[in-house]
This record gives sequence, C-alpha cells and structure tokens, in this order.
Amino acid sequence: QVQLVQSGAEVEKPGASVRVSCKASGYTFTSYDINWVRQATGQGLEWMGWMNPNSGHTGYAQKFQGRVNMTRDPSISTAYMELSGLRSEDTAVYYCARDGDYSGSGSFDYWGRGTLVTVSS
Amino acid sequence: QAVLTQPSSLSASPGASASLTCTLRSGINVGTYWMYWYQQKPGSPPQYLLRYKSDSDKQQGSGVPSRFSGSKDASANAGILLISGLQSEDEADYYCMIWHSSHWVFGGGTKLTVL
Repeated sequence: QVQLVQSGAEVEKPGASVRVSCKASGYTFTSYDINWVRQATGQGLEWMGWMNPNSGHTGYAQKFQGRVNMTRDPSISTAYMELSGLRSEDTAVYYCARDGDYSGSGSFDYWGRGTLVTVSS
Repeated sequence: QAVLTQPSSLSASPGASASLTCTLRSGINVGTYWMYWYQQKPGSPPQYLLRYKSDSDKQQGSGVPSRFSGSKDASANAGILLISGLQSEDEADYYCMIWHSSHWVFGGGTKLTVL
C-alpha cells in the first residue's frame, strides 16, 4: 500500500534551517509529484511548493522563494524539504503529499502524517 | 482580499444536506477553474474528496462516497461542496483549493458540525 513516512518532530532556533524528509513506498516514487503543505496550530492549510521526483524540477510558492529548497534521492525514494531562516511564524506541521493523477493535477491522494517543526529560542 | 473565502463554520443535522461554499475573489472567474475539496479531521492529514470544473469534467476521489459532490454557482462566483445524508463522521474541516497564478491556493476552511 502507498505510504509517505515523514521524519520526526524538530525544534529549531530562530535563524536556523530545518530539513524534513518524506519516504515513499508502495508505488514508483519517480512517477508522481510531491507537494509540501504546512499548517500552523489551529490554522488552515498553506501550500509551499512541488517537486517532480523524476526530473527534480521544482516550483515554489512566492512566499517561500529564496528560503525553501525541495530535493529528492530516488535511490531511497525520499523527498526532502529544507526551510531556512526560520522564524517563530514557521512553527507548524509540515506535510508531504503525493499528486496522485497527472503532474499538477491537484489530486493529493496520499499524505504523510506530518512533521511538527517548532521554532523557539 | 483573499483569493478563496469560506465561511468559518456551518452546522447541520444528521441526515440533512450541507452546502459548503468557496467564493472566489472578484476578478477571478469560477467558471475557468477546477475546484478541489479536501476533508480534514482532528489530528489527521487532509483527505482528497473530489475535483470539479463542470458536470462533464469532474473526478471523485478514490473511495469517496457519492454523497459528496461538487458544483458551482456562477452568479455567486463560488464553488460548492454538497454533502447529502449527513453522518456524524462527516464532522470535520473542509478546504477548497484552486490553481491560481502558478500556486495552489487553499481557502481558510469551514468547520462542519453535525448535530
């Protein structure tokens, strides 16, 4: 069965960077885009960007341009999202989600359980 | 003004129907967009429900019951998620989403209470 397993919770200081991993199983990793979405406690969903695991091509939300980097290692079916210059407002649960239809379909059919990133001095 | 606006909350009775709206900002025509809907229950990631552009262009998520359906109200410039035969398990947050200006944009979400 399809699974996206994310790395564990992180606590970082302001100004630091964090890298969240998302390990895929149960399907061909390079066949479906991975999107990253975050959610602050009690708040709504916020899209951060997408990555094509085959080509490595990415597209980022303008809000995160220059601070986010999405990469992948196809040999271990894992996608990564790195966010730099952390500030308290970045405290949130970060989700990876598979775009389950064609590239850019928006049908995010499988999601990881989320990784809580806490930014605190 | 936000790209997508959803009412923050909605209440409905078991067995009834609930119509959740997602209004597009003025100047963005709902008719040209695919509208996506996600359901999120506390402590869980979102779940894809469906996407809708027209009655001839729509897709139901895998395993999603047919009592969840999409539509549009062009006069209100809004997408609609209709849930019929409400069940207690439908109590959740619901988010709409569109692709706009090279971004996936979510609405603020509607908390549906079934009571």
